[in-house]
Amino acid sequence: NAGVMQNPRHLVRRRGQEARLRCSPMKGHSHVYWYRQLPEEGLKFMVYLQKENIIDESGMPKERFSAEFPKEGPSILRIQQVVRGDSAAYFCASSKSNIAGDTQYFGPGTRLTVL
Amino acid sequence: QKEVEQDPGPLSVPEGAIVSLNCTYSNSAFQYFMWYRQYSRKGPELLMYTYSSGNKEDGRFTAQVDKSSKYISLFIRDSQPSDSATYLCAMSEGAGNMLTFGGGTRLMVKP
Repeated sequence: NAGVMQNPRHLVRRRGQEARLRCSPMKGHSHVYWYRQLPEEGLKFMVYLQKENIIDESGMPKERFSAEFPKEGPSILRIQQVVRGDSAAYFCASSKSNIAGDTQYFGPGTRLTVL
Repeated sequence: QKEVEQDPGPLSVPEGAIVSLNCTYSNSAFQYFMWYRQYSRKGPELLMYTYSSGNKEDGRFTAQVDKSSKYISLFIRDSQPSDSATYLCAMSEGAGNMLTFGGGTRLMVKP
């Protein structure tokens, strides 16, 4: 059984470029969460999506960041006009449902470096 | 004050020791508590998942939750060098809600 898959694993962008991070949840999972881990800091929640719906985006920066989880295909986290402070590891997690006992399983992460 | 506090370590122990890892939190609405293990440059791996107060045991790992004290613990028995990693506590108010993480404790088990 494949776990949560993320690509690319490493992404280098220059300031002002766009970054697109992809996440394929575990088979049978329809809930996706994105977290960011800044250097020397803990994981911070960004956004929670179900298929075609954003459920909670309280952790998303107000500008330049967006996320989607279309009916078909992976979830995408998009960062426009990247700045050096966006350099971090971005982790995606998925769960089967939002009922008790179904917790979140994490992917390997995408490490974004902004030059 | 952070919502979830965790001593960053590093915690260095000899092989075979019992390890105690802890987190304190301030949000009394947290109901679900998890421990994740994260190896360097890898994603977090779920170790333990508990609901409300009480103990849960799985092999060498025991998780304890004391909601009255807002304190959770993870015990590792017979620690092995392969247990060397960063341990993250996480908690949420409801099933399916976002996880709030501690900063992680780095553990080193020396042969």
